[in-house]
Amino acid sequence: QVQLVQSGAEVKKPGASVKVSCKASGFSFTNYGTSWVRQAPGQGPEWVGWFSGYNGNTNYAQKVQGRVTMTIDTSTNTAYMELRSLRSDDTAVYYCARDEVGATLDYWGQGTLVTVSS
Amino acid sequence: DIQMTQSPSSLSASVGDRVTITCQASQDISNYLNWYQQKPGKAPKLLIYDASNLGTGVPLRFSGRGSGTDFTFTISNLQPEDIATYYCQQYDNLPLTFGGGTKVEIK
Repeated sequence: QVQLVQSGAEVKKPGASVKVSCKASGFSFTNYGTSWVRQAPGQGPEWVGWFSGYNGNTNYAQKVQGRVTMTIDTSTNTAYMELRSLRSDDTAVYYCARDEVGATLDYWGQGTLVTVSS
Repeated sequence: DIQMTQSPSSLSASVGDRVTITCQASQDISNYLNWYQQKPGKAPKLLIYDASNLGTGVPLRFSGRGSGTDFTFTISNLQPEDIATYYCQQYDNLPLTFGGGTKVEIK
C-alpha cells in the first residue's frame, strides 16, 4: 500500500537550513509529483511547492521562492525539501504528499515539525 | 492567488445530524476543488476530489457538490469519529490554496 514516511523533528536557529526527507513505498516518485505543505501552529495548511517526478519541473510558493529546493533520489525513492535562511515564521509541521500534477494530494506523510528559534 | 473562504469556522452538532460546510472561491475554479479531513495531530486526509468524487475508502455519508465559485460539503449522518477540521482546497491555479477550515464538534 502507499505510504510516505518523513524524517524526524528538527530545531534550527534563524538563518540556518533544514532538509526534510520523505520516503515512499507502494509507488515510485518517478511516476508522480510531490507537493510539500506546511502548517504553522493553530493555522490551516499552506502549500509550499510541487516537484514533478516525471521531468524535474518545480513550482514554488512565492513566500519561499529562492530559499527552497525540492528534489528526489530515485535510488531510494525518497523526496527531499530543503529550506534555507530559516526565519521564525517558517516554524511549522511540514508534510509531503503524493500529487501527480500539482492538484490533488491523495497520500500524505505523517509530518515533520521544524522549529526555528534562537 | 485564489482565495478560498470557508464557513462556518466551527460548528457543533449532534450524532446523526446533517452537517453542511460551504466554501467560496474568489474566482471561477470550475470543479477543481478538493475536501480534506484533519484530526488533531494527524495529516490531512483526502475525502472528496473534483468537487464531488468520493476518495478511496471514504464512507458514503460524506458528499460534495458545486462548481464555479460556490461549493458545499455535507456529512449526512454525523458520527463521533467525524470530529475533525475540514478544509477545502482549489487546484485551478498554482499556488494551491486552502480554505481557513471548519472545526466540527459533537454537541
